[in-house]
Amino acid sequence: DTAVSQTPKYLVTQMGNDKSIKCEQNLGHDTMYWYKQDSKKFLKIMFSYNNKELIINETVPNRFSPKSPDKAHLNLHINSLELGDSAVYFCASSQERLAGAVDTQYFGPGTRLTVL
Amino acid sequence: GQNIDQPTEMTATEGAIVQINCTYQTSGFNGLFWYQQHAGEAPTFLSYNVLDGLEEKGRFSSFLSRSKGYSYLLLKELQMKDSASYLCAVRDIRGNYQLIWGAGTKLIIKP
Repeated sequence: DTAVSQTPKYLVTQMGNDKSIKCEQNLGHDTMYWYKQDSKKFLKIMFSYNNKELIINETVPNRFSPKSPDKAHLNLHINSLELGDSAVYFCASSQERLAGAVDTQYFGPGTRLTVL
Repeated sequence: GQNIDQPTEMTATEGAIVQINCTYQTSGFNGLFWYQQHAGEAPTFLSYNVLDGLEEKGRFSSFLSRSKGYSYLLLKELQMKDSASYLCAVRDIRGNYQLIWGAGTKLIIKP
């Protein structure tokens, strides 16, 4: 009965490799997000999808490509991994993006990516 | 621009009260959130303020002053399990309602 799940939880890989992180939510939410949390603990939004449509695409290298096959899934593919990509990547989901709505975001457990 | 400031770290004693402050600057304020994040875990929602005033939820309360760009999270009757980072986040209407996050305040509870 996990609300937001991510796989894998840990990912250790060599520089230059390509890897994917998967995210699924069973909350029936319309909006999903990918965040990067670096060693300084800043959470930075990378992408957001609403009903499979990309709505937020921050300044992220184009080596990062999100894909939403349906509104319950949002995957993240990373090409040509670099040392600076090492971080914890969180997936999240929320029901609404309306002005004034609480719009609580529910986070997955995170994927700790280490690039060697 | 957008900027959120919180103290990096605070220490408090079990059973006491602690107040964690957050100041923000944003052009399209549309709500302020507080999240708790234990080490190695995901952030979890604590509170939400969009109007001025105090929102109370059990041992936790959150206050907002929009004119001052200021919020605080008040934790009462501190327990050891409250040791965590507390993240302040502001929703910006001009950023497609995305949340802008502070770096978090690491709260250390001592017996």
